[in-house]
Amino acid sequence: DIQMTQSPSSLSASVGDRVTITCQASQDIRNCLNWYQQQPGKAPKLLIYDASDLQTGVPSRFSGSGSGTHFSFTISSLQSEDIATYYCQQCHNYPLTFGGGTKVDIK
Amino acid sequence: EVYLVESGGGLVQPGGSLRLSCAASGFTFSDYWMSWVRQAPGKGLECVANINRDGSEKYYVDSVKGRFTISRDNAKNSLSLQVNSLRAEDTALYYCARGGYRRFDSWGQGALVTVSS
Repeated sequence: DIQMTQSPSSLSASVGDRVTITCQASQDIRNCLNWYQQQPGKAPKLLIYDASDLQTGVPSRFSGSGSGTHFSFTISSLQSEDIATYYCQQCHNYPLTFGGGTKVDIK
Repeated sequence: EVYLVESGGGLVQPGGSLRLSCAASGFTFSDYWMSWVRQAPGKGLECVANINRDGSEKYYVDSVKGRFTISRDNAKNSLSLQVNSLRAEDTALYYCARGGYRRFDSWGQGALVTVSS
């Protein structure tokens, strides 16, 4: 199985800050990497697919990059409604696997 | 709008069984892969099973192989997960998710399965 390692596991930042999360795959997954947001008490929501494509309706302050084994996810200007846990997920091989999550809160 | 509504969760003893269901609406069900993703209390996400559009391909995470069975009824726009030989570590919120070929683009609100004596 492909292991996905996210870092950091949690972070605190101020409104307006730039926030970056990284995700490393245990093997080359090309660009088959998705990012999800899970707000407290809610189901996950797809934000970014295929490493860098923005899902319809998602604000442009969210972005993703990377290929191969190293990927990053950025919130360009953190908003209060972005408090959530963020997960990466590889889609290169079955079983589809998620990173451990990064909990983002407001400082 | 896409709607996915899970049902069938509950409290079950170790070794017991349940059948989870997901009613889908707002899209052409037979055009999409479907999946079950679970989340143990306070933990991360784990994809447990995927099924292709006509039900001919199924994938499972190793920890549930031989115990869980995913199925679908395209005529009824319904997805199911038969869960047998339940263990304490299967306690989780089970989400029905649209997708599973590459990404999960819509999610239900989940059905809680608690395995305890």
